[in-house]
Amino acid sequence: GQQVMQIPQYQHVQEGEDFTTYCNSSTTLSNIQWYKQRPGGHPVFLIQLVKSGEVKKQKRLTFQFGEAKKNSSLHITATQTTDVGTYFCAGFNTNAGKSTFGDGTTLTVKP
Amino acid sequence: DAGVIQSPRHEVTEMGQEVTLRCKPISGHNSLFWYRQTMMRGLELLIYFNNNVPIDDSGMPEDRFSAKMPNASFSTLKIQPSEPRDSAVYFCASSLGRPLFFGSGTQLSVL
Repeated sequence: GQQVMQIPQYQHVQEGEDFTTYCNSSTTLSNIQWYKQRPGGHPVFLIQLVKSGEVKKQKRLTFQFGEAKKNSSLHITATQTTDVGTYFCAGFNTNAGKSTFGDGTTLTVKP
Repeated sequence: DAGVIQSPRHEVTEMGQEVTLRCKPISGHNSLFWYRQTMMRGLELLIYFNNNVPIDDSGMPEDRFSAKMPNASFSTLKIQPSEPRDSAVYFCASSLGRPLFFGSGTQLSVL
């Protein structure tokens, strides 16, 4: 079945440093979503990417979808303590008819 | 809209007891998902419904788990009998296509 892998599993940064998490799918995706889960909270939708090579920005967050639509990345510039949490990608494959979540990358930020 | 509403927020029960988790999806959403989250296994899709019909229950761990969606505004996930290894956070999510909107989850502890 479809597999979605995320790396790294954990990332510890000093406040102000950049952060990147990568997502790779075993199959070509129709679209990919990114979610953020704060400690003790629930996943909250951040963004959806649909087009090959698409790049979207939300303030300090930059999201990319690979040309082959099998990988994606989330980059945070100049991290802040409010960025702490676990970031999940979820890849949707039309044939599977459902989204598959990656295992997430947990970000901690040292002030 | 109030978002996806789950109850109870916390459930502590003894092994062998029946547990029922409840979910009210966002009005107008036609898909409903039940996820389980643990440190060891991450975010697992248990079952999802489309227009109140179960589409994929391949993630349901075993016959002790059952889910129903009698109408568009209500779903239940039942565990009978419960076991300590069922301890986890159970999330319900709803959508109209994508993305998913998650409830606050039910923290289940089986002693």
